[in-house]
Amino acid sequence: DSGVTQTPKHLITATGQRVTLRCSPRSGDLSVYWYQQSLDQGLQFLIQYYNGEERAKGNILERFSAQQFPDLHSELNLSSLELGDSALYFCASSVSGWDTEAFFGQGTRLTVV
Amino acid sequence: AQTVTQSQPEMSVQEAETVTLSCTYDTSENNYYLFWYKQPPSRQMILVIRQEAYKQQNATENRFSVNFQKAAKSFSLKISDSQLGDTAMYFCAFMKLVGGANNLFFGTGTRLTVIP
Repeated sequence: DSGVTQTPKHLITATGQRVTLRCSPRSGDLSVYWYQQSLDQGLQFLIQYYNGEERAKGNILERFSAQQFPDLHSELNLSSLELGDSALYFCASSVSGWDTEAFFGQGTRLTVV
Repeated sequence: AQTVTQSQPEMSVQEAETVTLSCTYDTSENNYYLFWYKQPPSRQMILVIRQEAYKQQNATENRFSVNFQKAAKSFSLKISDSQLGDTAMYFCAFMKLVGGANNLFFGTGTRLTVIP
């Protein structure tokens, strides 16, 4: 158990819908990352938050947005869903500073039908 | 921009043998971390080993060791005495510090199959 909690574990929804994925980082971790992994693909970096502020943005679509709340949990909002958005979405967290590593949640598997 | 390249999409190794997975990266930073993550069929991302760029000594974790060549920007993973449980996707990752936060970048992965 990495200490990073993602909910829900599985999500099935229809095209055009909107969903919210939730991530609770490890206790004390200030940085949260979101990644998308499509079938048999590598991890595509979407966005990173640090202590409530957006710190880095990767290949995140305009239909997607995220935020990190004062209690440090984060949510990834996916709207106007398309079939191609079906993927495993990972959240990871890390402590700020050099002596750190990222810990991953178990992912949310999103299926758009 | 940082890039991480894994040039071997798939590899296989006989059980109990040794295999080396390659990774190169591109950065202008001097201080950073490098990681190898394992993703078994369960899809869970598991940290295998990490290397601090300022350390010249190569990291080792039991059967896993790295060959870190900073000048060549190379970071390969050696798995000794391969076991069936090592079958997984392996991702090389690079982390740098930016404005007090860490940015983590992944390669495209190498699928390793251990053959009984």
